[in-house]
Amino acid sequence: DIQMTQSPASLSASLGETVSIECLASEGISNDLAWYQQKSGKSPQLLIYAASRLQDGVPSRFSGSGSGTRYSLKISGMQPEDEADYFCQQSYKYPYTFGAGTKLELK
Amino acid sequence: QVQLQQSGAELVKPGSSVKISCKASGYTFTSYDMHWIKQQPGNGLEWIGWIYPGNGNTKYNQKFNGKATLTADKSSSTAYMQLSSLTSEDSAVYFCARGVDGTYYYYFDYWGQGVMVTVSS
Repeated sequence: DIQMTQSPASLSASLGETVSIECLASEGISNDLAWYQQKSGKSPQLLIYAASRLQDGVPSRFSGSGSGTRYSLKISGMQPEDEADYFCQQSYKYPYTFGAGTKLELK
Repeated sequence: QVQLQQSGAELVKPGSSVKISCKASGYTFTSYDMHWIKQQPGNGLEWIGWIYPGNGNTKYNQKFNGKATLTADKSSSTAYMQLSSLTSEDSAVYFCARGVDGTYYYYFDYWGQGVMVTVSS
């Protein structure tokens, strides 16, 4: 199985701060990577797919980048509503696998 | 608008089975894979498998072979997942999610609200 190592496990950011979350795949996944946001008690919501494509309706402060085995999600200007858990997920090979998640809090 | 409406919370006994549902609306049910994902507190997300309602084809995470069975009813646009021989390890929230195939990439664009399954005597 492809292991998705996500870091950091948690972070705290001030209003307006830029934050980055990393995801390292155990083998190359050819940009077949998505990022999801999950707020407390809710289901995950798609933010980014194909490593860097922004899902319709998602604020432009969210962006994704990377290639090969290394990918990142950036939030350019932390907002209160961005407090959530964030997960990466690969669909390159079965079984599809997720990162362990990053808990993002507002400082 | 696309909606995936899941059935309600379940409290079930060890050794029993449970069948949970996911009713789709707002799109052509038979044209998209339906996936199931498990989430345990502190354990992240685990992909269980998918079913293609158009022809009933399925694909499972080997870890869930024999544990989960996926079916779909085209007439009611509803996907089902049955979990068998339940143990405390099966206590979790289970999500359905629609899969989108972009040829070179794949993702889950809509998710159900989740069903909490609690296995307890």
